[in-house]
Amino acid sequence: QSVLTQPASVSGSPGQSITISCTGTSSDVGGYDYVSWYQQYPGKAPKLMIYDVRNRPSGISDRFSGSKSGNTASLTISGLQAEDEADYYCNSYTSGSTRWVFGGGTKLTVL
Amino acid sequence: QVQLVQSGTEVKKPGASVKVSCKASGYTFTLYGIAWVRQAPGLGLEWMGWISGYNGATVYAQKLQGRVTMTTDTSTSTAYMELRSLRSDDTAVYYCARDRGDYDNWGQGTLVTVSS
Repeated sequence: QSVLTQPASVSGSPGQSITISCTGTSSDVGGYDYVSWYQQYPGKAPKLMIYDVRNRPSGISDRFSGSKSGNTASLTISGLQAEDEADYYCNSYTSGSTRWVFGGGTKLTVL
Repeated sequence: QVQLVQSGTEVKKPGASVKVSCKASGYTFTLYGIAWVRQAPGLGLEWMGWISGYNGATVYAQKLQGRVTMTTDTSTSTAYMELRSLRSDDTAVYYCARDRGDYDNWGQGTLVTVSS
């Protein structure tokens, strides 16, 4: 069982916006601005999409945005495209014995 | 450009050890750490630990303490992850990633299968 809780699946139609949540505690998501998000296609390595809660690496579309409120971080994808269909994982620093933790992952389906 | 190239597929018997390598290029190895992340078939990502590219300091996930050792060879810009006393639930794809507080570049993954 992952320390960070994500919905198992979300879906949306092309052009719509969706939001994926990542809920932790004050010991991880709520306590630090070190939340990152990763996109993973089947059989491929993950790809960094958002770091430090809301920052996009160079080359990542501005359709991807991140935010945080309390113990929950969120990834929003606007203007959904078929190519966005993938698994998404959040990651956070934690003051626990394991320094970094991942969420369980969310499968995004573009209808 | 930054590249992390990992060693190839491994098949091991229960109780054996495996050592996966991760050769970095395109950046100054000692300025960043390397994280190791694994993914069991059909499951999510699991953080295994981190090693400093500067001084070899390590932090391991509690559940792997005593079975995992991460090392680096700065002369070849290569990181290594050794996992001992392998069990069937260690079957997974093992990834290395450049660590700057997030994981901005990843290796291609190494499949380790543990089976009798």
